[in-house]
Amino acid sequence: ETGVTQTPRHLVMGMTNKKSLKCEQHLGHNAMYWYKQSAKKPLELMFVYSLEERVENNSVPSRFSPECPNSSHLFLHLHTLQPEDSALYLCASSQAPGTLNTEAFFGQGTRLTVV
Amino acid sequence: DQQVKQNSPSLSVQEGRISILNCDYTNSMFDYFLWYKKYPAEGPTFLISISSIKDKNEDGRFTVFLNKSAKHLSLHIVPSQPGDSAVYFCAASATSGGSYIPTFGRGTSLIVHP
Repeated sequence: ETGVTQTPRHLVMGMTNKKSLKCEQHLGHNAMYWYKQSAKKPLELMFVYSLEERVENNSVPSRFSPECPNSSHLFLHLHTLQPEDSALYLCASSQAPGTLNTEAFFGQGTRLTVV
Repeated sequence: DQQVKQNSPSLSVQEGRISILNCDYTNSMFDYFLWYKKYPAEGPTFLISISSIKDKNEDGRFTVFLNKSAKHLSLHIVPSQPGDSAVYFCAASATSGGSYIPTFGRGTSLIVHP
C-alpha cells in the first residue's frame, strides 16, 4: 500500500477514444504530479498541481488534459491520442511545494497502450 | 539535454558484494538529490536522499555520496541482496531556486545474483 492509488492499472484505447486516468492519495499531501515513463527515457514531468491549482505544465500536448478537483484526487483526461503516447503514466504526491526534503510518493502507474 | 545522467543502463553484482550506482548532473543549481527504487509493475519508491550541505548520507545498507565539485553522486549498497534487484533512479532538484520538482535520470537496472 503506497498511499497513492492509480486506476486503471492497464488501459488499451483507440486513437479516437476518450478515457481518463485516476489518481487518489491518502497521505494528506498538497501537491500532485503526473509523470510519463517511456521505454529507455527519463521520467518526464507532465503536470504539477499545488493546492489544487496547476503550477506547471511541461509543454504537454492538449490531447492530455489534467483535472484536480481536490487535494486528494487527480485525473488525466485523454483524447485523440497517438501510438507514441503509449507509456507508463505515473501519479505522485508530496508535501506542499517549496518544502525542503520533499520526497514524492508514487502510485503503481497506468500502463497505457494506444492502438 | 539531460541534466541528470545515469550512464550505466544496467549493473550485475554477486550477492554479498557491493553495488555502486553512479549519477552525474550538469545543473549547478541542484542542491538536493534523491534515489528511487522501482520494481516491475510498481511505481518508484523513495530510497535515500542527500542535501548539498553534506557529502555522505547513510541508511542501513544504503549510502549516498555526493561530490559537488565533480557534480557526481553515487549510491552504494552493501551487502547486496537479490531483493535489491530493481531499477534505481537518481533525481535532483534546485530547492534554493524554489523548484522542488525533481529531475530524473533514465535509471540503472541492478541485478543481484544469488
